[in-house]
Amino acid sequence: QVQLVESGGGVVQSGRSLRLSCAASGFDFKVFGMHWVRQAPGKGLEWVSFISADEVEPLYADSVKGRLTGSRDNSKNTLYLEVNAVRAEDTATYFCARDGPHWDVDFWGQGTLVTVSS
Amino acid sequence: QSALTQPASVSGSPGQSITISCTGTSSDILNYNYVSWYQHHPGKAPKLIIYEVNNRPSGVPDRFSGSKSGNTASLTISGLQAEDEADYYCSSKGSHTRVFGGGTKLSVL
Repeated sequence: QVQLVESGGGVVQSGRSLRLSCAASGFDFKVFGMHWVRQAPGKGLEWVSFISADEVEPLYADSVKGRLTGSRDNSKNTLYLEVNAVRAEDTATYFCARDGPHWDVDFWGQGTLVTVSS
Repeated sequence: QSALTQPASVSGSPGQSITISCTGTSSDILNYNYVSWYQHHPGKAPKLIIYEVNNRPSGVPDRFSGSKSGNTASLTISGLQAEDEADYYCSSKGSHTRVFGGGTKLSVL
């Protein structure tokens, strides 16, 4: 079955960088677009980034454009999110999710928590 | 792009029906029939329960239904069960991205 497992979260000092990973299995990863969605503590879901199957022109939310970089390695069935110069507002659980065929998101991981400390 | 607007919380008793609204704009819900709904039990992976306004993925009970009128979409859960207690999020295709609602906490009393 489809499995998405995020990793790389933890406590990170403000201003530093980190890279999140998402290991995919149970489906043909290389033909699916993938999303990153985050949820700040006590808040709703916020779409962050979309990386197409062929990695052409990743899309980003305006709130993160220029600081977050999404990428993928189809040979490793892995999705990445690089967060540069982390800020307090980046504190959130980051979910990776598979792009569905109906402008939906049809499978999600359980998320990885990033906490930014000062 | 602004988040879609959902009520913060709704509640109902077992067996009852509830409806959660999701209000957007002409940049999203009004112009696209690509509204989806997600059920999220905290600590677990969110789950797709409705796509394209009113379609259920395989395995989702028919107690869950969706609709849309103008720039407002709705999720109705009939015959409430204890396990329906969760957070619910709507989402829509936006101008070139996706937009989510702020989430609604459903309490089954």
